Amino acid sequence: DTEVTQTPKHLVMGMTNKKSLKCEQHMGHRAMYWYKQKAKKPPELMFVYSYEKLSINESVPSRFSPECPNSSLLNLHLHALQPEDSALYLCASSQAGQGLRRQYFGPGTRLLVL
Amino acid sequence: DQQVKQNSPSLSVQEGRISILNCDYTNSMFDYFLWYKKYPAEGPTFLISISSIKDKNEDGRFTVFLNKSAKHLSLHIVPSQPGDSAVYFCAARKMASGGGADGLTFGKGTHLIIQP
Repeated sequence: DTEVTQTPKHLVMGMTNKKSLKCEQHMGHRAMYWYKQKAKKPPELMFVYSYEKLSINESVPSRFSPECPNSSLLNLHLHALQPEDSALYLCASSQAGQGLRRQYFGPGTRLLVL
Repeated sequence: DQQVKQNSPSLSVQEGRISILNCDYTNSMFDYFLWYKKYPAEGPTFLISISSIKDKNEDGRFTVFLNKSAKHLSLHIVPSQPGDSAVYFCAARKMASGGGADGLTFGKGTHLIIQP
């Protein structure tokens, strides 16, 4: 199984809503990632978890709150988002440790903030 | 400032010919370079990678060349097939510190169109 699943596929939310994006993998990977991709732009790294601990936060606003409850799951909690946060949110996973670790991507959650 | 650049937004190639996608980078700390392919409504799919200490890596129809002095890499696909039509992202990874995981820095992508 080399699949990373993400739910929901699409999400529309208002600026006062609280929602969560979910990501799951069963490849035994101990590194998980959140990327944000806006239209016609490349994916941009948001967060990296390594062995269930947050190792990289690319200066992401606090209205995005990541959580890694176990080695298979990664959540992204959203609160008080802005319309400019509308984007495709991609989750990825890889083995952790030294050397190149290929990242496997999920299909993404397309988020629209009204 | 973009550290990974793909200056061709699109490229059209005839089926059976060679497709060459180019990528330039500015950060000397990158130790691995990767190419990903993306279809609409799907996440990026890994294609091929190359370490910064190599100058060529080949996998079937795909070959990646790295010119470290020019900070340039290219992906060659030969022969090109209709199923190769997709957006191709060049990505780079900085040397990992302390054995932890590092994210990737992506270029803007090149839309490859294979014409029959």
